[in-house]
Amino acid sequence: GAVVSQHPSRVICKSGTSVKIECRSLDFQATTMFWYRQFPKQSLMLMATSNEGSKATYEQGVEKDKFLINHASLTLSTLTVTSAHPEDSSFYICSARAGSGTEAFFGQGTRLTVV
Amino acid sequence: AQSVTQLDSQVPVFEEAPVELRCNYSSSVSVYLFWYVQYPNQGLQLLLKYLSGSTLVESINGFEAEFNKSQTSFHLRKPSVHISDTAEYFCAVSDYSTDKLIFGTGTRLQVFP
Repeated sequence: GAVVSQHPSRVICKSGTSVKIECRSLDFQATTMFWYRQFPKQSLMLMATSNEGSKATYEQGVEKDKFLINHASLTLSTLTVTSAHPEDSSFYICSARAGSGTEAFFGQGTRLTVV
Repeated sequence: AQSVTQLDSQVPVFEEAPVELRCNYSSSVSVYLFWYVQYPNQGLQLLLKYLSGSTLVESINGFEAEFNKSQTSFHLRKPSVHISDTAEYFCAVSDYSTDKLIFGTGTRLQVFP
């Protein structure tokens, strides 16, 4: 299957700083990317959907000013956690899809720890 | 809106035994159904999917799932599990219009020697 690379795999940051997570589709053009958050021993919660060149669509309850999503090219989307706090510590996973109705491929996830 | 229920949070089983991981969904429209597997500290890998056609779908590593519309179920089965099958398994649903994946809470399959 296609490859989606997520970087970094782990990051530790101080409370109040911002962290950027990258999601790249390595061998296909991703018109749509999704960002998920996963709490320990829980399911994936969709945070937002981003289409290349458009503003992201956030799910209810997700603060768009805190979780900034940029999808500037067909192979790269970024999630920036601004002014991170310990409660933002989580596992963040992106997925990418070439087009509507096609399979979504997942990145390997980013473990964010805010201290 | 769609929802997915995975009733079993954990399923312990001995190696070479059969296993069934249950998944029920709720939707007012036609949906696609998926099973994903997640190994520790990794992203999700697609195990198998039902889009249309035959209600029985199979993966390359021996898993199969059957779409049962009347029971709104998509249970995952394997006749003989291996230690390497130990992982978290997620059932997911998406509808034709939004393409968003809605995940169940996951089932931890633990295979013992």
